[in-house]
Amino acid sequence: AQTVTQSQPEMSVQEAETVTLSCTYDTSESDYYLFWYKQPPSRQMILVIRQEAYKQQNATENRFSVNFQKAAKSFSLKISDSQLGDAAMYFCAYRSGIGGGSNYKLTFGKGTLLTVNP
Amino acid sequence: NAGVTQTPKFQVLKTGQSMTLQCAQDMNHEYMSWYRQDPGMGLRLIHYSVGAGITDQGEVPNGYNVSRSTTEDFPLRLLSAAPSQTSVYFCASSFTPLAAYNEQFFGPGTRLTVL
Repeated sequence: AQTVTQSQPEMSVQEAETVTLSCTYDTSESDYYLFWYKQPPSRQMILVIRQEAYKQQNATENRFSVNFQKAAKSFSLKISDSQLGDAAMYFCAYRSGIGGGSNYKLTFGKGTLLTVNP
Repeated sequence: NAGVTQTPKFQVLKTGQSMTLQCAQDMNHEYMSWYRQDPGMGLRLIHYSVGAGITDQGEVPNGYNVSRSTTEDFPLRLLSAAPSQTSVYFCASSFTPLAAYNEQFFGPGTRLTVL
């Protein structure tokens, strides 16, 4: 079974600065997908960024980028120019690239609560 | 296009009561699932469905039932509520990934308290 570990329960950053959230995972599969979700106080789960394991290039979405290290099974999220609206719980998630049944599920880490200080 | 909707948003039950959490999606997604979120635990899969008439258990299925009679709806039933079922419940849906890339869309969640 796959596992996802987020070792930082809480992080804080000053507005306009850069912060990196850590995520490691364990899998025996070679084909998979990794995601970062943001959950603001509204509770809504919002997809921030995703990475296909077969792609060596790191994904970027505006101020959000990832550092994907497949051999190390590491998938960190970098938020640049942090804004007050970035304050939220962030979840790292894994999904198998193999189709069928339970492989469609997302396996989540326990989350990192990000505080942005003005 | 409403996406994934869940009702109710909040619910308080007494131990032993039963209830159904509703989930509906209007995106013609084959895959639907229920997660529960507990503090410090992330989201854990309760049940899932890959199409109408097909359901299966996830990681934490005990105390919950599901059915999928239509593509749009995937209700979650609590048979006899227990305090351990106090949680936030999320419904999610996606296309079954032939491309294996399809995003899962989440509903707004239901906060359930069992006294």
